[in-house]
Amino acid sequence: KQEVTQIPAALSVPEGENLVLNCSFTDSAIYNLQWFRQDPGKGLTSLLLIQSSQREQTSGRLNASLDKSSGRSTLYIAASQPGDSATYLCAVLKAAGNKLTFGGGTRVLVKP
Amino acid sequence: DGGITQSPKYLFRKEGQNVTLSCEQNLNHDAMYWYRQDPGQGLRLIYYSQIVNDFQKGDIAEGYSVSREKKESFPLTVTSAQKNPTAFYLCASSVGLAVEIDTQYFGPGTRLTVL
Repeated sequence: KQEVTQIPAALSVPEGENLVLNCSFTDSAIYNLQWFRQDPGKGLTSLLLIQSSQREQTSGRLNASLDKSSGRSTLYIAASQPGDSATYLCAVLKAAGNKLTFGGGTRVLVKP
Repeated sequence: DGGITQSPKYLFRKEGQNVTLSCEQNLNHDAMYWYRQDPGQGLRLIYYSQIVNDFQKGDIAEGYSVSREKKESFPLTVTSAQKNPTAFYLCASSVGLAVEIDTQYFGPGTRLTVL
């Protein structure tokens, strides 16, 4: 059974510092790995999707890497801003079926 | 405006009542999903549907039921058999075809509280 873990559960940084969020998964038979952002009491917004054959994806200040063999992904957010404060969730799409398995999320606070 | 809508935003239920949460999408997506989120936790899959008139149980289907009579709509009923229904419920949809690049789009959620 696929398990997805995100460490740390919460993170607080001063504005301008780079953020590093970690995600690990137990079963490497995945189609893709996705990072989502969730603001309090809201739905999820897709940030980046990395296909299983890819090693990284970039969008603006966001960069996500994928090491399928070791079951790890890292989301980097450069030069953090207070508006980056949110919960970040990673999820893997297993190769059998069309189901996402989510990690518990990392709650980020960027202090001005 | 294209997207996914969920209603109501807040829902209160008495013990022993069934309630139905609405989810509608106008993205022309084939696949739709229902998730439950408890405080400080990730999402857990309740039910999903790859196509109209077909749906499958997710990881925590007990006490829930769904229907998929129209492509645009995927309502979720929380029955009295669900022992701990207080949670945040999220609906999502996706194209459901090109799996490696398939991403899910989420609605704003419904917060259900049992009184």
